[in-house]
Order: sequence, then structure tokens, then C-alpha cells
Amino acid sequence: NAGVTQTPKFRVLKTGQSMTLLCAQDMNHEYMYWYRQDPGMGLRLIHYSVGEGTTAKGEVPDGYNVSRLKKQNFLLGLESAAPSQTSVYFCASSYSRAGGAGELFFGEGSRLTVL
Amino acid sequence: DAKTTQPPSMDCAEGRAANLPCNHSTISGNEYVYWYRQIHSQGPQYIIHGLKNNETNEMASLIITEDRKSSTLILPHATLRDTAVYYCSPYNQGGKLIFGQGTELSVKP
Repeated sequence: NAGVTQTPKFRVLKTGQSMTLLCAQDMNHEYMYWYRQDPGMGLRLIHYSVGEGTTAKGEVPDGYNVSRLKKQNFLLGLESAAPSQTSVYFCASSYSRAGGAGELFFGEGSRLTVL
Repeated sequence: DAKTTQPPSMDCAEGRAANLPCNHSTISGNEYVYWYRQIHSQGPQYIIHGLKNNETNEMASLIITEDRKSSTLILPHATLRDTAVYYCSPYNQGGKLIFGQGTELSVKP
């Protein structure tokens, strides 16, 4: 069981470059999330999705775009990377139950550095 | 979105109970309280959740006050491996889960 897999795990970008982070889950979960975590800080929600074809903004959505074309995948895009986007990015997924989503399962993180 | 307040850090002696408080005074009636922990730089790990009643599982116990404005996570016999950052997060049915700053728990020998 792979669970939640993030690709790539490490990446260095130059300012202005674009890239896409891929999150894949094999648990048939409805809900998927992208968080970022800066040094010494908690996790901040960027975008999330409550089902295939749907996305919603979180706390810090500016500078990012997302897509959920397939249920198992949730893509996070940076169109024009900035040094302020240097961070560790975590993807998570959750099943659906009565009353909302269940507990979140997290990936191992993707470390992005923007020079 | 409900806001949470947690002490930034706590210490606990190995083998003793660790009691981690969380204030969520603006929690809505349909919001669950979820607890997660993050060890080093790993992805957070689910611990336990509850709505109104106290809950217990193999990892911890969760005590929620009757007015639901606060809760306490209890690790009954803390070990060195329980050293981590613990997050308390109200969670609504809309699917949006917000993390606060968390409590950094240090378990000492």
C-alpha cells in the first residue's frame, strides 16, 4: 500500500520558473489537500478538493493553482515561482463519512527551494 | 473557521502522563475536534478525534469539556518517541481542515 505519494520530493527552482507538484493516493479517498509548512511554523492550507473535478481555496491560495481531474490525483502548480514559495509542501487525503471527511493521511512532503 | 489556542511548548517526564490542552471557544456545533502530531519534518499523523463525548484509542484519550470550548489530549504513559508537535484542529463538514501553531511536546528521560 503506497498511501499518499508526492512527486518530486526535492526541487530547486529559479525565480519565475513554473512547476507542478503531483499528489497521488491509492485509497479511493474523496478529499485531498495541499498544505505548506515554513521553518518553525505550523501547516497552512493552500487549496483542497472535496471530490473529483472540484477545488476550493484554503488560507494561502495566492500564487498557486490546483486541479483534480482524476479522483486519485491532486496537482499543485506554481506558474511563476517566487522565493516566498520556498517551503515544504504536504499533500493529504481523506475518506468521506457521514458528517464530512475522516482523518487525513499525509504524504512525506516535497521540499521546494526557489532561488 | 474556528480558532484554536495551544501552549507553544510543554515538557513531560518519560513514563508520566502528558496532558495537552487546546482552547477552541469559537467551535461550531457540528465541528469535530481532531488531534494530529508531527514528528521532526515528517507528515502529520492522525491521533484521535471527537465531537461531544470523551474518546479513547490505542494512542491517546481525548477529553472534551461539556461546553465544547476546550479539550485535552492525554498520552497516558509518554515515551521519548512521543516527542513531537501536537496540533488541535476543529474540522467542519465542508472539508476544510485548518491547523494552528501546535504544542511542541518534549518528553525527557
